[in-house]
Amino acid sequence: DAKTTQPTSMDCAEGRAANLPCNHSTISGNEYVYWYRQIHSQGPQYIIHGLKNNETNEMASLIITEDRKSSTLILPHATLRDTAVYYCIAAPWDSSYKLIFGSGTRLLVRP
Amino acid sequence: EPEVTQTPSHQVTQMGQEVILRCVPISNHLYFYWYRQILGQKVEFLVSFYNNEISEKSEIFDDQFSVERPDGSNFTLKIRSTKLEDSAMYFCASSVRVEAFFGQGTRLTVV
Repeated sequence: DAKTTQPTSMDCAEGRAANLPCNHSTISGNEYVYWYRQIHSQGPQYIIHGLKNNETNEMASLIITEDRKSSTLILPHATLRDTAVYYCIAAPWDSSYKLIFGSGTRLLVRP
Repeated sequence: EPEVTQTPSHQVTQMGQEVILRCVPISNHLYFYWYRQILGQKVEFLVSFYNNEISEKSEIFDDQFSVERPDGSNFTLKIRSTKLEDSAMYFCASSVRVEAFFGQGTRLTVV
């Protein structure tokens, strides 16, 4: 699985967009980019995934660069409840895959 | 919304004792996983399970660990002879394909 690099920590103001970057320069053609988050010590929560097209769901948007070497997770209107550790994971999409969690980005949303 | 349920939420056991951690995955899911997180460290993959057999396991998942799906609803992780270093949060997850749903975890404390 490709290695991903994320900033250790970030912060943003409540109500503003949070843009979380991720580098995955060694990603291979069959690997997707997945984003999960972990609020305090709860179980990780799936956010979004993508291969090469930008994706949007009710939680977030995922922007993947054309060369697929980096991506950005966007939380359009961050709330205090979005304070969490965010994990960017590159992994193949197959029927039984494991997630390799790195250290992630600790996002603090300020009031 | 369907969820993965884990019991107990907290288990304290003496070193050398056997423990069984229980999980009820989401009913129509086919793939099941155990992960663990030692306090302050990364979430680590332990094992994946599909079609009543182990699909993949990590180096952590040695002979002291076993998994079972004893009936159509439960998925268990057994640690035969617990060590102090087994103290961690254990997360169960299930998926149909891409999006893995995690339970809230069982905090195992070995004393």
